[in-house]
Amino acid sequence: DAGVTQSPTHLIKTRGQQVTLRCSPKSGHDTVSWYQQALGQGPQFIFQYYEEEERQRGNFPDRFSGHQFPNYSSELNVNALLLGDSALYLCASSLGHNTGELFFGEGSRLTVL
Amino acid sequence: GQQVMQIPQYQHVQEGEDFTTYCNSSTTLSNIQWYKQRPGGHPVFLIQLVKSGEVKKQKRLTFQFGEAKKNSSLHITATQTTDVGTYFCAGNKLVFGAGTILRVKS
Repeated sequence: DAGVTQSPTHLIKTRGQQVTLRCSPKSGHDTVSWYQQALGQGPQFIFQYYEEEERQRGNFPDRFSGHQFPNYSSELNVNALLLGDSALYLCASSLGHNTGELFFGEGSRLTVL
Repeated sequence: GQQVMQIPQYQHVQEGEDFTTYCNSSTTLSNIQWYKQRPGGHPVFLIQLVKSGEVKKQKRLTFQFGEAKKNSSLHITATQTTDVGTYFCAGNKLVFGAGTILRVKS
């Protein structure tokens, strides 16, 4: 039973570029949440997807957008990258969007130069 | 917006000593979760507390949820080197604290 998988694991972009990160949830899970974790800080909630819709959103600008597909996998898109977007982007899946433990993937390490 | 404060930021203990981290929310929570993140790893779920005043134990770990459902604590008895990592609380699965880094000297 595969856990949460994320791709790519590492990537380097330059300012102004766009990036797409991908996440496949744990088998049987229907909800995907995305977090940004800067070095030495806790994960910051970006948004949550359930039934292919954005259900909740944290305090992130519109440059951050996402999508959930019918198979529950999800993408995180970031446009017009800034140096401050450099971070570990974590995807977490869960069963249901209200309670239940979050299963995190290994993350995608984004470096913006 | 909702904020979750976690203290201390860092604690370095001798193996065998106890360790406690505290979590305080600016608003009442529906639930609180605790996660552990090893260096270079990803957060791993430890437990979820839902009820006011709830206390749960996992071997040497004791978790408490305050009566007002605005604060929580994680206590580790007799720390071991395997306890090393960063411990995060998360309010309503959305708002994570900054974490407490635990180092254990053997």
